[in-house]
Amino acid sequence: KAGVTQTPRYLIKTRGQQVTLSCSPISGHRSVSWYQQTPGQGLQFLFEYFSETQRNKGNFPGRFSGRQFSNSRSEMNVSTLELGDSALYLCASSLYSGDREQYFGPGTRLTVT
Amino acid sequence: QKEVEQNSGPLSVPEGAIASLNCTYSDRGSQSFFWYRQYSGKSPELIMSIYSNGDKEDGRFTAQLNKASQYVSLLIRDSQPSDSATYLCATHSGNTPLVFGKGTRLSVIA
Repeated sequence: KAGVTQTPRYLIKTRGQQVTLSCSPISGHRSVSWYQQTPGQGLQFLFEYFSETQRNKGNFPGRFSGRQFSNSRSEMNVSTLELGDSALYLCASSLYSGDREQYFGPGTRLTVT
Repeated sequence: QKEVEQNSGPLSVPEGAIASLNCTYSDRGSQSFFWYRQYSGKSPELIMSIYSNGDKEDGRFTAQLNKASQYVSLLIRDSQPSDSATYLCATHSGNTPLVFGKGTRLSVIA
């Protein structure tokens, strides 16, 4: 069974630009969670989507948003990029909302210059 | 603020020894506990989950949970250099998101 896929794997953007990251969960998994990982803060939860609805949201500014499609694929968007948004963005899938056995994708490494 | 604490390490053990990784958590309502392994430059990989007090064994890995002490540990028997990685502990309560510790870096010396 194919794992979680994320595109693109690497991205370099300039301050003020916006970016969209994509995640396809494991087949049959319907919940997608997004995390930001930085050396200083570790893994921090951004949001969770299930059945095209946001179920949980972390403590991030409104510049961070996401959505989920009917096929469970998810996108996250960051607008007006700041230098501090440079991080590894990880998507994790699970069978259903509330199932915390989550499986991570390879991540998207975002660098903001 | 729910917190998960881990010693950042590095924890160095010789090849063949038992590596013991520890994690404490602040939320008494925490229900499920997970250990992830993350190699440098890679994403976290789920290696163990534990839901009730006691020990759970899977191959060379044993997870131990003590809810009264708010403590969960991961033992790796017969440690191999390929076990060298950062180990992340995570937990949650109710429908809240997973909260991760910052990880313990393990180095297995050949």
